[in-house]
Amino acid sequence: AQSVAQPEDQVNVAEGNPLTVKCTYSVSGNPYLFWYVQYPNRGLQFLLKYITGDNLVKGSYGFEAEFNKSQTSFHLKKPSALVSDSALYFCAVRDPDRGSTLGRLYFGRGTQLTVWP
Amino acid sequence: EAGVVQSPRYKIIEKKQPVAFWCNPISGHNTLYWYLQNLGQGPELLIRYENEEAVDDSQLPKDRFSAERLKGVDSTLKIQPAELGDSAVYLCASSSGAGAFTDTQYFGPGTRLTVL
Repeated sequence: AQSVAQPEDQVNVAEGNPLTVKCTYSVSGNPYLFWYVQYPNRGLQFLLKYITGDNLVKGSYGFEAEFNKSQTSFHLKKPSALVSDSALYFCAVRDPDRGSTLGRLYFGRGTQLTVWP
Repeated sequence: EAGVVQSPRYKIIEKKQPVAFWCNPISGHNTLYWYLQNLGQGPELLIRYENEEAVDDSQLPKDRFSAERLKGVDSTLKIQPAELGDSAVYLCASSSGAGAFTDTQYFGPGTRLTVL
């Protein structure tokens, strides 16, 4: 079965410092990985995805993620955090099965990021 | 380009009452998804449509939940009767392809349901 783990419920960083939000995955097949961000009372906004190719993926709002196949990880990073980055972040893996579950996303529980001034 | 539209944004009902949620996907997106997000959890897929066809509904509790996408555009998700445990956020998402691996799903703002 496909699954995603986000080991930290909360991450706190000071504005201007680098941030990392961790994600590990388990998938039977090639991993297709996504990061989404959710602000209060809002839906999920797409940040970036890894399909194939370069292990460092760049996305929206200055975020990037590093795919590491040997460690089955896909950590989200940003060199310099902003207070406005404070939100709930979700990692997700795509079901690689070509059957009826094609396209199904499996989400982690989310990590609350707080950036303090 | 308009995003995924959902209505209502909030709904409060008594248990055993029916409720319906509406979703209008991004124009041209053939694939539509309904997700359930419980408090403190990530979204879980309820049903996926490719055009009018429900191709993945194995996680939809069919005793009380139903969905339709009659013309391959808008979709409605219904609960009848609602139970206390149905209190959650119901998210709609759409993507352009037929659920291909590289598709990005774009989410609407969700409907927050409270069942009293």
